[in-house]
Amino acid sequence: DVKVTQSSRYLVKRTGEKVFLECVQDMDHENMFWYRQDPGLGLRLIYFSYDVKMKEKGDIPEGYSVSREKKERFSLILESASTNQTSMYLCASSSASRRDRQPQHFGDGTRLSIL
Amino acid sequence: KNQVEQSPQSLIILEGKNCTLQCNYTVSPFSNLRWYKQDTGRGPVSLTIMTFSENTKSNGRYTATLDADTKQSSLHITASQLSDSASYICVVERLTGGGNKLTFGTGTQLKVEL
Repeated sequence: DVKVTQSSRYLVKRTGEKVFLECVQDMDHENMFWYRQDPGLGLRLIYFSYDVKMKEKGDIPEGYSVSREKKERFSLILESASTNQTSMYLCASSSASRRDRQPQHFGDGTRLSIL
Repeated sequence: KNQVEQSPQSLIILEGKNCTLQCNYTVSPFSNLRWYKQDTGRGPVSLTIMTFSENTKSNGRYTATLDADTKQSSLHITASQLSDSASYICVVERLTGGGNKLTFGTGTQLKVEL
């Protein structure tokens, strides 16, 4: 069965810390995505990667960066965490045959709290 | 402005009953529309996807319809089960020169009770 695995389900960090969220997929997908999900708002795309070392900004990239050193792994980095980055973060992937922004498989999310 | 609006925001029904969730969108130009189911504490799972030429798509007890003229979609759940309790999210993809973009609805929270 296909799987997108996010390293932590829950994470608590302090303001100003550098935070790493990790995501691994086992489907050999070229495309990977990071979203955040907040109550009353739809999922919003932070960053998108269509190949190793390739990335594109999504709708809300400010305060975030990403790393894709290996095909199966896509990391989201909060350079200096702030309280307004408290949210649910979802990783997703899709195959290159649909090189677009339609994720096929989602991870179960990381609920991040910044204190 | 590209928007996806879902109604109702929340819904409670008795097990075994049917229900219909609505999705209205202003996204243009339209590429496709997808319904996701998101269980509490889990990631979204795709239920159906419909392109412009498709007006109905089924997945078990889930049936989605699309009226591209009125820009409306519905998700009908037949003979509901407790496991149908979840958030249902409508997502519309639009064509852009720089790669297609998605607009997500905020979801309908469904609770199925005994």
